[in-house]
Amino acid sequence: DQQVKQNSPSLSVQEGRISILNCDYTNSMFDYFLWYKKYPAEGPTFLISISSIKDKNEDGRFTVFLNKSAKHLSLHIVPSQPGDSAVYFCAALPYSGAGSYQLTFGKGTKLSVIP
Amino acid sequence: DTGVSQDPRHKITKRGQNVTFRCDPISEHNRLYWYRQTLGQGPEFLTYFQNEAQLEKSRLLSDRFSAERPKGSFSTLEIQRTEQGDSAMYLCASSLHTGSSPLHFGNGTRLTVT
Repeated sequence: DQQVKQNSPSLSVQEGRISILNCDYTNSMFDYFLWYKKYPAEGPTFLISISSIKDKNEDGRFTVFLNKSAKHLSLHIVPSQPGDSAVYFCAALPYSGAGSYQLTFGKGTKLSVIP
Repeated sequence: DTGVSQDPRHKITKRGQNVTFRCDPISEHNRLYWYRQTLGQGPEFLTYFQNEAQLEKSRLLSDRFSAERPKGSFSTLEIQRTEQGDSAMYLCASSLHTGSSPLHFGNGTRLTVT
């Protein structure tokens, strides 16, 4: 069972426009969420995170929004640049009291930014 | 910060052989993780160390897999009697021992079992 779902395998966006990547989760024990970016032949690179006590976190061109009631989060990239073309993974961590540090990943969304 | 280093980058082996991968984490990180990624999937958790103690193992980690972190620094992942289904990218990550510290991944070891 997929506890973290990224339902869009791919997304194409024009350079300069907004990219919105979506992620849904099913496990109520998740309380910390991360986005990773992955280029071919490289490991995933941490991008931005959000704790369940917040509904928004911003870092430069990247903003993550969390809607706990809907169990949904999204990553906004504004403005999109060709170098942002990569696979983006959503990942979730259980609350610290669960005693687990097992990060659960979605299947990823391949973003292509067209110049 | 030299990043997480993994060796080798690629390994091709015949079915039934044993293989061993090495991971050197970021020096001040005392948490170390192994993940496996297959085509079209996100990374899947295998196991986790805090210092030299292996604290968590996934059901994916069959008895043919063993991981060690003998002195709380580098780690090895050994797969015995490899099977074609073991072909995957094996990723190592490390993090600080502070709550929900982000994982920093290496570039992985790609294993191909023929």
